[in-house]
Amino acid sequence: SAVISQKPSRDICQRGTSLTIQCQVDSQVTMMFWYRQQPGQSLTLIATANQGSEATYESGFVIDKFPISRPNLTFSTLTVSNMSPEDSSIYLCSVIQDSSYGYTFGSGTRLTVV
Amino acid sequence: KNQVEQSPQSLIILEGKNCTLQCNYTVSPFSNLRWYKQDTGRGPVSLTIMTFSENTKSNGRYTATLDADTKQSSLHITASQLSDSASYICVVSGGNAGKSTFGDGTTLTVKP
Repeated sequence: SAVISQKPSRDICQRGTSLTIQCQVDSQVTMMFWYRQQPGQSLTLIATANQGSEATYESGFVIDKFPISRPNLTFSTLTVSNMSPEDSSIYLCSVIQDSSYGYTFGSGTRLTVV
Repeated sequence: KNQVEQSPQSLIILEGKNCTLQCNYTVSPFSNLRWYKQDTGRGPVSLTIMTFSENTKSNGRYTATLDADTKQSSLHITASQLSDSASYICVVSGGNAGKSTFGDGTTLTVKP
């Protein structure tokens, strides 16, 4: 399965600022996914990032708040913009290479907004 | 609406004991069901993936079962270890858009 390097692993940010999270995959993948996991809850899909096209956002998530870049088949970034304490969550990227294996997840970014 | 419900929400067992986690879903049409283990502060790691035709799949001390007729799955953990303490997430893929629906997870605590 793919190996994903996600960083930063955690950060504490001031409200009103922005944070960019990076995910690097050790192999080329067509689709990358970004998830949010709020405290005590399961994962919620934010958007699907395809190389060469705009990301596809799920209901409740907008590009102005969560801009995504996907410059090539091994890398993607998610920016959390104009942060508020409600954005405090774990953010995860994932890829799916082989339907028989399922998703591979990054180690997550634990974001705290103060 | 596609839903995945897991039970119990949390579970505490003694080291060496067995336990079973449940996952009920309403996703239709069904594509596959996956169980993930998520350690605190880490991303989920795949344990098993099952398609419609598979009833049982094992991964070491983890055994998943699937009843596609009743739309139920279980994850059985044998001879639990302290390192099994984690959140276990059931994910079902399918539906008209082929998307994945995540359960809220079961938090397992194994005590010595």
